[in-house]
Amino acid sequence: DAGVTQSPTHLIKTRGQQVTLRCSPKSGHDTVSWYQQALGQGPQFIFQYYEEEERQRGNFPDRFSGHQFPNYSSELNVNALLLGDSALYLCASSLLDRPNYGYTFGSGTRLTVV
Amino acid sequence: RKEVEQDPGPFNVPEGATVAFNCTYSNSASQSFFWYRQDCRKEPKLLMSVYSSGNEDGRFTAQLNRASQYISLLIRDSKLSDSATYLCVVNEVYYTNAGKSTFGDGTTLTVKP
Repeated sequence: DAGVTQSPTHLIKTRGQQVTLRCSPKSGHDTVSWYQQALGQGPQFIFQYYEEEERQRGNFPDRFSGHQFPNYSSELNVNALLLGDSALYLCASSLLDRPNYGYTFGSGTRLTVV
Repeated sequence: RKEVEQDPGPFNVPEGATVAFNCTYSNSASQSFFWYRQDCRKEPKLLMSVYSSGNEDGRFTAQLNRASQYISLLIRDSKLSDSATYLCVVNEVYYTNAGKSTFGDGTTLTVKP
């Protein structure tokens, strides 16, 4: 049973560019959340998607946008990249009606902005 | 002040020791609580949910104190494999995965032979 799959695993971009990160949730999961994790810090909530809609958003600028597809997979887009966007981006899938199962995380995309 | 605060450690303990971590949260609307474990340069993995009555999973015991807004994790008989960063997580929405989950910055544990 495949867990959460993220691509690419590593990415180097230049300041000002745009990037798209992809996530396939664990089989059977219907909810996808995106997190940004800087070195030495805990993951910071970006947003969550369920039924192809953004249900909640963290304190991130509009440069961060996302999408969820009918097959539950998701994309995170970041425009006008800043050096401070360099981080590990984690996708977490879950079941909306199984709260105590928690999240299953992918292994992340490590983004470096130069 | 951060919404979820943890002592960053590091906690360095010998094998077999008992170690406890605390976590405090500021949002009184928080309703569901978890501990995750994160190994170096890996993704977080769910360790256990935290119930109001407290709960135990083998060598791990989690407690919740709503009045004082803190959560604890106790690890008994520490193993070398317990070395990791432990992340405290709170969620505003009652026992669902909907909405925002807030992570602490983690407490680092190193278990030594």
